[in-house]
Formats: sequence, structure tokens, C-alpha cells
Amino acid sequence: EVQLVESGGGLVQPGRSLRLSCAASGFTFDDYAMHWVRQAPGKGLEWVSGISWNSGSTGYADSVKGRFTISRDNAKNSLYLQMNSLRAEDTALYYCAKDIGEGFGELSADYWGQGTLVTVSS
Amino acid sequence: QSVLTQPPSVSAAPGQKVTISCSGSSSNIGNNYVSWYQQLPGTAPKLLIYDNNKRPSGIPDRFSGSKSGTSATLGITGLQTGDEADYYCGTWDSSLSAGGVFGGGTKLTVL
Repeated sequence: EVQLVESGGGLVQPGRSLRLSCAASGFTFDDYAMHWVRQAPGKGLEWVSGISWNSGSTGYADSVKGRFTISRDNAKNSLYLQMNSLRAEDTALYYCAKDIGEGFGELSADYWGQGTLVTVSS
Repeated sequence: QSVLTQPPSVSAAPGQKVTISCSGSSSNIGNNYVSWYQQLPGTAPKLLIYDNNKRPSGIPDRFSGSKSGTSATLGITGLQTGDEADYYCGTWDSSLSAGGVFGGGTKLTVL
């Protein structure tokens, strides 16, 4: 059974940093691209970042470019999102999602975690 | 303002059919595959359709997808009360700011 479990969310002050983690199991992690998708309270889905199976390609939404960094450790079956210079508008539930393919340049997420809540407030 | 445009809401009676549209441009829907997601209240999104019209294992054939030019459509037949949810389209955008994009979401009400 595929499982994606996010962790690392919490309450953080504006300008501070937070690192999210996603532990994957039930599939061959290094065969697939991965994404981070967020959802602000009462709002729609927003793609945040994606990474190819071998970390060779990464991408970011304009809203987080230069502040967030995605990475993965295939040996640990884990996905990460380093979030720096956090803003109030980054407040959201952050989902880790598995893509159906290995490459970078598509968005078809067939498995999602339950999300970890990030609240940016003073 | 989402890159992909969906109607905010649609409604239909149980047993009826409904379609949800998703409009984009040549840099996204026009040149990339479209996926559709169902989000029931308080839960994570679930993939319904990928590669424009393919259903993952376990998704009933009441759900269908199509694409024409820079627009895509999700169809749901035999509506059930359990289909009440938010539905999102998603695709890749190959513009200078390449990345994933979603529609703003459509709330389906089964009357």
C-alpha cells in the first residue's frame, strides 16, 4: 500500500524557516517524480514544487521561487521542502504527492499524503 | 486568479450527468496532458483522470475526461450524493515559468 506521510509543519513567525519532510513507502520511490502542493484555508490547490526521480530537474511556482528548495533522498525514501523567508501568504496545508511518471514536466499525482499544516504568523 | 479557468459551481440531481470545464492556453492544456482530481470535504485530493482521458485502477467508468485544443472536460454520469466534492483540473505549463498549474476548483452539488 502506497503511503506518504508529511511532517514538519507548525506555527512559525514571518521571515523564519521551516523544513517539511515526506516519508514514502509501498512503492519504488526512486522510480517516480514527486511534488509539493499546498492549499490555503478555504482555497484551491496550488502547485508549489516538483522534482524528477533522480533530482536532475526541479521546478518552483513563481510565488516561492528563490525562497523554497525541494530535495529528495532516494536512499531514505524521503522528500523534503526547505522553506525560507516565510510569509503570511505561505500559510497552508502542504501535501506531498507522487507522480505517475519519473520525469519532470508533467503533473499527474496519483497518491497524496494527508498534509502538514504550516501557519505563518507573529 | 488561477491559470486554468473552471466554473465555481455546478449542480445536478442524483442519477443525472454533469460536465465540468477547464479552460487554459497553448502553453498548458494545449500542449500537455490534463489530470482531474476529486477532493471530498476534509480529505486529500484523489486522482480521477490522467493523460486527458485515462482512469486509474479503481475509478468507476462513470467518470470520463476529454480534451480539445486548449480546453478539457470532466464528465460524471449516474450522479450519487457521494460525488459531492470539489473538482480540480491540473496540467503542466510550459511557459517561461514552467511548472504545474491547477484550476480554481468546481464545487459539485448533487441536489
